[in-house]
Amino acid sequence: ETGVTQSPTHLIKTRGQQVTLRCSSQSGHNTVSWYQQALGQGPQFIFQYYREEENGRGNFPPRFSGLQFPNYSSELNVNALELDDSALYLCASSLGGQGGTGELFFGEGSRLTVL
Amino acid sequence: QQQVKQSPQSLIVQKGGISIINCAYENTAFDYFPWYQQFPGKGPALLIAIRPDVSEKKEGRFTISFNKSAKQFSLHIMDSQPGDSATYFCAASISGANSKLTFGKGITLSVRP
Repeated sequence: ETGVTQSPTHLIKTRGQQVTLRCSSQSGHNTVSWYQQALGQGPQFIFQYYREEENGRGNFPPRFSGLQFPNYSSELNVNALELDDSALYLCASSLGGQGGTGELFFGEGSRLTVL
Repeated sequence: QQQVKQSPQSLIVQKGGISIINCAYENTAFDYFPWYQQFPGKGPALLIAIRPDVSEKKEGRFTISFNKSAKQFSLHIMDSQPGDSATYFCAASISGANSKLTFGKGITLSVRP
């Protein structure tokens, strides 16, 4: 059973640029959630994808967008990067739907630095 | 508005001692309360979770105590070990959206040998 994998692990961007982060969900999981963790803070929910559809969104602007693919992997895209977007971006997969426990399994994250 | 608040902010415990971390929540619609453990450079990992139909749940050295009327829950780590040194987050969610977790700010636990 493979765990949640994220790429890249670290990246540096400048203000105004765009970034794409990728996540492969754990085998058998159909739900992917993305969280932003600023330094010294708890993770904050960005959005969730269930069977390729957005299924809930946190308090993040539209320049944060995502996709889920038929194999349940996912991308997080952030446009017009701002300095405050510097954070650890965490992907978590789970088994949603009837019978799913909803227990989240997190990847190790992508550390984004915006200069 | 911080819906989930942790205390203390940091904790130092001697090896073999009991670590106690507290969490208070505001939204009475929350009905799933997990604790996550995070080591530096790693993602959070689920430690133990409780639903409000029970007041206590124990798994090995880890126990959650839940007080619904006070809207509080706590994590007790018995026989604390240096390997338990990590950041601990409490979280809460609403059934049906149990992947959308609201996390506390986290507390750093240091267990001294």
